[in-house]
Amino acid sequence: GDSVTQMEGPVTLSEEAFLTINCTYTATGYPSLFWYVQYPGEGLQLLLKATKADDKGSNKGFEATYRKETTSFHLEKGSVQVSDSAVYFCASRSNFGNEKLTFGTGTRLTIIP
Amino acid sequence: NAGVTQTPKFQVLKTGQSMTLQCAQDMNHNSMYWYRQDPGMGLRLIYYSASEGTTDKGEVPNGYNVSRLNKREFSLRLESAAPSQTSVYFCASSRQGRGRGWQTQYFGPGTRLLVL
Repeated sequence: GDSVTQMEGPVTLSEEAFLTINCTYTATGYPSLFWYVQYPGEGLQLLLKATKADDKGSNKGFEATYRKETTSFHLEKGSVQVSDSAVYFCASRSNFGNEKLTFGTGTRLTIIP
Repeated sequence: NAGVTQTPKFQVLKTGQSMTLQCAQDMNHNSMYWYRQDPGMGLRLIYYSASEGTTDKGEVPNGYNVSRLNKREFSLRLESAAPSQTSVYFCASSRQGRGRGWQTQYFGPGTRLLVL
């Protein structure tokens, strides 16, 4: 079945540092890929997505590129802020059959001033 | 526009008690989902409803039942709660369709459930 593997946390960075959170997937065909963010005490919010190979999703300074050759969708940000502290989830959705999302285990990010 | 709403926000149950978690969306979405979130395990799908009048099991359906009351509402019922059901429960919804642009799921704020 489909699966998503993401970098284990927690990750702690200083403000203005460069961020990478790794995510790889296994799926039938070419799934759509997502990054969701969960701020403390809140539900998940869609951060960005990419629906086909070589697409780049971007939002709020975050970027991720759909790499078919490495089955990856790594999340990056050039300069993190304290307000980026949250849990980040990578997810995939197969384009065959059902609409179910497969989630990674989440990566907790803490940014220190 | 409230999006996806869930009630209650927090609940404590004793083993064997029953309860229903409520979820509603005002985005005219066809599909709705229930997930549970446990530490170190990400989100796991309990049940989903592709459209009004249909429900299907997800990854971890045992111990739960669901009802798609109408297009807006999708409830999750625990008939006899167990400590293993202590978790945070999230409801989500999405538009239905085969097009790539219709796949985004929107989540509610969650219900934190503690079973003693």
